[in-house]
Amino acid sequence: GESVGLHLPTLSVQEGDNSIINCAYSNSASDYFIWYKQESGKGPQFIIDIRSNMDKRQGQRVTVLLNKTVKHLSLQIAATQPGDSAVYFCAESIQAGTALIFGKGTTLSVSS
Amino acid sequence: DAGVIQSPRHEVTEMGQEVTLRCKPISGHDYLFWYRQTMMRGLELLIYFNNNVPIDDSGMPEDRFSAKMPNASFSTLKIQPSEPRDSAVYFCASSLGVPGNTIYFGEGSWLTVV
Repeated sequence: GESVGLHLPTLSVQEGDNSIINCAYSNSASDYFIWYKQESGKGPQFIIDIRSNMDKRQGQRVTVLLNKTVKHLSLQIAATQPGDSAVYFCAESIQAGTALIFGKGTTLSVSS
Repeated sequence: DAGVIQSPRHEVTEMGQEVTLRCKPISGHDYLFWYRQTMMRGLELLIYFNNNVPIDDSGMPEDRFSAKMPNASFSTLKIQPSEPRDSAVYFCASSLGVPGNTIYFGEGSWLTVV
């Protein structure tokens, strides 16, 4: 079946390093992608989104890259901080009129 | 903005008991979603509503699960009878406009069925 998946279940980085979290999707019809951050004991929190007519979008310290050719999505976090430690989910909207479908999540661990 | 409000935050119940989870979406949002999160399956969409009408309930596990949205500011997810495998975090979320726009999540209801 078609699904959203993550390449790496965990990522450990040093404070100040840049982090890259990857995500693969399999449905070329997906037209909207979003990254969420989930801290322990809390609900997912919106980070950044991108539509399929774009290949890059930047926010504050975060950048999302979309490569439709290989169906790949990535989240880049600049100057990673201990407060960035969390589980990160990518999600896609498979087609108009349907809700977001989430991947399994990647745990980001930032050490000082 | 108060965000999506869920209750209870934590519930422990015995197998066979009825469980009711409640949600108040963000004011003005016209889409409401119920998700379930477990370690094994991640975040799964159970059901979602548009303007209080259920649009897709294909993710509801079985007939023991039911969801209602009697008005624009309130929804419930009911499990009757509950089973240990229902133990999970249940999230309510809401959005404005078509699905695929930013969905805002509540803090979740942590359910343990013993």
